[in-house]
Amino acid sequence: DTGVSQDPRHKITKRGQNVTFRCDPISEHNRLYWYRQTLGQGPEFLTYFQNEAQLEKSRLLSDRFSAERPKGSFSTLEIQRTEQGDSAMYLCASSPPPGGTEAFFGQGTRLTVV
Amino acid sequence: GQNIDQPTEMTATEGAIVQINCTYQTSGFNGLFWYQQHAGEAPTFLSYNVLDGLEEKGRFSSFLSRSKGYSYLLLKELQMKDSASYLCAAVEQAAGNKLTFGGGTRVLVKP
Repeated sequence: DTGVSQDPRHKITKRGQNVTFRCDPISEHNRLYWYRQTLGQGPEFLTYFQNEAQLEKSRLLSDRFSAERPKGSFSTLEIQRTEQGDSAMYLCASSPPPGGTEAFFGQGTRLTVV
Repeated sequence: GQNIDQPTEMTATEGAIVQINCTYQTSGFNGLFWYQQHAGEAPTFLSYNVLDGLEEKGRFSSFLSRSKGYSYLLLKELQMKDSASYLCAAVEQAAGNKLTFGGGTRVLVKP
């Protein structure tokens, strides 16, 4: 299967700990997006990359959040000093060039901060 | 920025038709997606409209009016497995085609 892959699928962490999630997009998709979804709500945009360049960050992305896509392939999203309000599903999506509009979503990483 | 509105919940009977409306206010609009999302799963693509009109795909159809900032998703011959959330999402071209989602419409299909 060559869909978008996210790891881990579930993460439970204690408040104050750091967590890192990984996303492997569909091969040759140059755009990669991170979204956050809380229960009963639609996904909210966090950030996106075109190749290795991070081109936009939402105001939702506080200083505790950082995302990287070092070689323009996989991406990581790190949350430092987690808070209970960070509990959500973190979704990754990728889109093909040359400016494809359809976003293919991964299965998401569900974060629970206790 | 963008603002997307859709109803929170709808209930319908198996075999019936349900129409989910979505209104949007946006800048740099580059089309509108509908996604289906079952509980605990990722959104899956249903349809994409960029031009005005109706797109039909099996039991599902989607309509767009750019001048009115309005779209709907029509689900026909409802099946129990159609019970899910349906997400309307507008594409913002100026921001790398990022999606701005509505809150989702939870559809409950009853026997």
